[in-house]
Amino acid sequence: GAVVSQHPSRVICKSGTSVKIECRSLDFQATTMFWYRQFPKKSLMLMATSNEGSKATYEQGVEKDKFLINHASLTLSTLTVTSAHPEDSSFYICSARGGRGRNQPQHFGDGTRLSIL
Amino acid sequence: SQELEQSPQSLIVQEGKNLTINCTSSKTLYGLYWYKQKYGEGLIFLMMLQKGGEEKSHEKITAKLDEKKQQSSLHITASQPSHAGIYLCGADVSGAGSYQLTFGKGTKLSVIP
Repeated sequence: GAVVSQHPSRVICKSGTSVKIECRSLDFQATTMFWYRQFPKKSLMLMATSNEGSKATYEQGVEKDKFLINHASLTLSTLTVTSAHPEDSSFYICSARGGRGRNQPQHFGDGTRLSIL
Repeated sequence: SQELEQSPQSLIVQEGKNLTINCTSSKTLYGLYWYKQKYGEGLIFLMMLQKGGEEKSHEKITAKLDEKKQQSSLHITASQPSHAGIYLCGADVSGAGSYQLTFGKGTKLSVIP
């Protein structure tokens, strides 16, 4: 159980394009979803936390207008990288967490490799 | 400053050998999670520890959280090539109920057949 699907797995596009990444919890309801960015040999960097039906909470230094997050249902969150530029190239990973108690781990998608030319 | 320190950064062991990876925090760990990641892929949940002194095992992997809840270790017994990957510890260091996790930089494990 606890499967999180992330799509697409890889995107290569031109500078200025907007890219949407989907994160779905397949077999549980995700009350909270998280979006991370991972740089080579670095920790996962939390970008934002989204709760179903409410606005996402962005971490300091993350541009809200650049990285649009929508969590419209308990099984789907999307991250849209608007007007992407080469510096946005990275590995983006989502995670989903069900329930509100402390004993619920985050379950991760397989990540999206974004390359902006 | 890095809130979670993992050691070692990388590890190369012969198949069949035991190994230990450590995760240390300067703050109290309200929840400690171990994940495994293969390069360019997502994270696979291994184990979660919450109570001081807690120990959990799954197959050949054992994780412990010390009594002070500031350090955790992950021990692999009789390592196999399938254990190779990047091991990440993630922790709730705020205790504020946001359930956000801070991650270490990871330990890259290579197992030589």
